[in-house]
Amino acid sequence: AQSVTQLDSQVPVFEEAPVELRCNYSSSVSVYLFWYVQYPNQGLQLLLKYLSGSTLVKGINGFEAEFNKSQTSFHLRKPSVHISDTAEYFCAVTSPGQGNLIFGKGTKLSVKP
Amino acid sequence: GAGVSQSPSNKVTEKGKDVELRCDPISGHTALYWYRQSLGQGLEFLIYFQGNSAPDKSGLPSDRFSAERTGGSVSTLTIQRTQQEDSAVYLCASSVGDRGYTFGSGTRLTVV
Repeated sequence: AQSVTQLDSQVPVFEEAPVELRCNYSSSVSVYLFWYVQYPNQGLQLLLKYLSGSTLVKGINGFEAEFNKSQTSFHLRKPSVHISDTAEYFCAVTSPGQGNLIFGKGTKLSVKP
Repeated sequence: GAGVSQSPSNKVTEKGKDVELRCDPISGHTALYWYRQSLGQGLEFLIYFQGNSAPDKSGLPSDRFSAERTGGSVSTLTIQRTQQEDSAVYLCASSVGDRGYTFGSGTRLTVV
């Protein structure tokens, strides 16, 4: 069975500082990996995804993530955060042909001035 | 439509009543998913429809929960005899294959 672990439930950071949100997954087969963002009282918006090819994936709003197969990780990074990045971030995994996404429990990013 | 549409956006119901939640997927998306988001629990997979295949119901928490998808498009999630622990946000998503999922804004269900 697949699983996703987001190691930090909350990450406070100051504006313009760099941030890394950690995600580790468990799977015995090849994976597709996703990061979603959820702003208060809204649905989930796709930030970026890894399907194949380059392990460094760039997404919207200046975010990027790196797929590391040996460490089974897919950490999300941004070099300089804004107040508007305050939201909850979810890492998710699936496999080719599997269908449903398996989500981590989420990380709440709080950006302070 | 341009996105995944869910209705109602908010639903308050009395314990023991039945509720129906609706999802309109993106036109042409063959796959449709229901998830439940409870406070502190993350997103819990409920059910998955792919084309005309039998749905994957492995995530439904009890036999009070059921879902159908008519004509390969609109889906309805039904919860019978609602309980307070059913209070959550119910999210629907649709996709073409498994390479990109688009989520709706959800239905917030409150059972009082």
